[in-house]
Amino acid sequence: AQSVTQLGSHVSVSEGALVLLRCNYSSSVPPYLFWYVQYPNQGLQLLLKYTSAATLVKGINGFEAEFKKSETSFHLTKPSAHMSDAAEYFCAVSDRGYNKLIFGAGTRLAVHP
Amino acid sequence: EPEVTQTPSHQVTQMGQEVILRCVPISNHLYFYWYRQILGQKVEFLVSFYNNEISEKSEIFDDQFSVERPDGSNFTLKIRSTKLEDSAMYFCASNGQHNEQFFGPGTRLTVL
Repeated sequence: AQSVTQLGSHVSVSEGALVLLRCNYSSSVPPYLFWYVQYPNQGLQLLLKYTSAATLVKGINGFEAEFKKSETSFHLTKPSAHMSDAAEYFCAVSDRGYNKLIFGAGTRLAVHP
Repeated sequence: EPEVTQTPSHQVTQMGQEVILRCVPISNHLYFYWYRQILGQKVEFLVSFYNNEISEKSEIFDDQFSVERPDGSNFTLKIRSTKLEDSAMYFCASNGQHNEQFFGPGTRLTVL
């Protein structure tokens, strides 16, 4: 069975600081991995995806994530946080591109001046 | 840019009543999903739908739930007899040819 663990339910950074949101997955088959962002009272927006091509994936809004098979990780980073990045971030895994997504519990990112 | 839409944005109902949540997926997408998010909890898969039939469902998706694609554009989730624990945000999603699920803004269901 697949699962996702997001370390840290809350992360707080200063504006301009590095953002690092951690995601570890469990999958018996090569996974498809995704990061979604949810702003207050809105739906889920896809930030980026890994589908067995390049291990370093670039997404929208300056975010990127690196797939590390040996560590079963897919951590999300952004070099310089902006106030508008404050939101909840969800890591998700699927065993195929069109199958269900299994989500992590989410990490709420706060950005302070 | 195409997007998934959902109506209503908020539904309040009495326990035991039937509700229908509506979704319009992106027009050329073939795979459709419902997820729910109970307040403060993670997003959970309910059901996936392809080629006019359910392709997978979770243990949450019991006999009280059903899905339908009544025409070429709508995708609905029906809960026959709502319970208090059905209160949640329900998200519809659709998937095209690029292994990406696009989510709608959600319907907040409140069961009293």
